[in-house]
Amino acid sequence: ETGVTQSPTHLIKTRGQQVTLRCSSQSGHNTVSWYQQALGQGPQFIFQYYREEENGRGNFPPRFSGLQFPNYSSELNVNALELDDSALYLCASSWDAGGSTDTQYFGPGTRLTVL
Amino acid sequence: AQSVAQPEDQVNVAEGNPLTVKCTYSVSGNPYLFWYVQYPNRGLQFLLKYITGDNLVKGSYGFEAEFNKSQTSFHLKKPSALVSDSALYFCASMNTGFQKLVFGTGTRLLVSP
Repeated sequence: ETGVTQSPTHLIKTRGQQVTLRCSSQSGHNTVSWYQQALGQGPQFIFQYYREEENGRGNFPPRFSGLQFPNYSSELNVNALELDDSALYLCASSWDAGGSTDTQYFGPGTRLTVL
Repeated sequence: AQSVAQPEDQVNVAEGNPLTVKCTYSVSGNPYLFWYVQYPNRGLQFLLKYITGDNLVKGSYGFEAEFNKSQTSFHLKKPSALVSDSALYFCASMNTGFQKLVFGTGTRLLVSP
């Protein structure tokens, strides 16, 4: 069984640039959730994808967007980067059988630094 | 709105002693509660969860948690701490029907030799 993987591990960008982060879900999982963890804080929910559609969104602006592909992998895109976007971005995968509450398993994260 | 509170920023315990990391919750309806651990420069590792059933939940690495509905608490416990347990611990809740985790602010556990 393959766990959740994320790429890249680290990324440095400048303000105003755009970034794409990638996540491969654990085998057998069909749902991907993205979280932002700022330094010294708990993770904050960005959004979730299920069956290639956004299935809920946290309090993040539209410049945060995502995709889920038929193989259940996912991308997080952030446009017009701001200094406050510097954080660890975590991807989590889970199995949704329709209303069930399953455990989310996290990847190692991508550390984004915006200069 | 659901929320989780971890009242201690840091917990210090000597190796071999029992440890407790506290968590209280505010959730409408039936609470779904989780504990995760984070090691430096790593993602979150799942320890255990409470959905329903027995109030004492056993998880990975010898950890367990006690669900207390009257006190709205879900404290993490381990009978004998190891130095390797030193890490950042997060309590989280989840709404029924929607898989969004709401995390506490985290508690740093430091186990001294």
